[in-house]
Amino acid sequence: RKEVEQDPGPFNVPEGATVAFNCTYSNSASQSFFWYRQDCRKEPKLLMSVYSSGNEDGRFTAQLNRASQYISLLIRDSKLSDSATYLCVVNNFNKFYFGSGTKLNVKP
Amino acid sequence: EAGVAQSPRYKIIEKRQSVAFWCNPISGHATLYWYQQILGQGPKLLIQFQNNGVVDDSQLPKDRFSAERLKGVDSTLKIQPAKLEDSAVYLCASSLMSGVYEQYFGPGTRLTVT
Repeated sequence: RKEVEQDPGPFNVPEGATVAFNCTYSNSASQSFFWYRQDCRKEPKLLMSVYSSGNEDGRFTAQLNRASQYISLLIRDSKLSDSATYLCVVNNFNKFYFGSGTKLNVKP
Repeated sequence: EAGVAQSPRYKIIEKRQSVAFWCNPISGHATLYWYQQILGQGPKLLIQFQNNGVVDDSQLPKDRFSAERLKGVDSTLKIQPAKLEDSAVYLCASSLMSGVYEQYFGPGTRLTVT
């Protein structure tokens, strides 16, 4: 079983839509969680850390559900510029594990 | 603040040749990572350094890959000899310390092995 699993998508949504991605992780002792964004042929960039209490940054909201071992990312009012691959990252005992990413296409 | 620097950005070699990549992390970052990212997949950790010591190299193919971080700052990753399946983007990342701290990535080196 993979450490981190994501739906590869693609998610095709119109501008202004709300879209949500989930990511499941296998190790219940995982300690920290992140969402990264990766544009085509670019390096991953940190989007946000995911805290136990959940956190929000503008149009983006991240949630952690330790009981069910998943994290989620909600994007409200999608923009064309949100089109990218979103990578879920989990840290287990100082080791980082990346999901394969979920591709988002926002269309006009 | 300067980001993570990597060179070269692109490299094309023939199989069985050798290649080396260089990375300079963000100033003050103690932890340095090398990842391999194959098209359509997430990054896979090859090796992690804490200062100039290796923390994890469990997924590094040691028969052909080697890496060093001699002075605890910049690092080199070498492949010798290269195989076709080594075609990928090699990403270097750094973080303040290992553990919960977020990582910052360099632009990567795109390697094509023919």
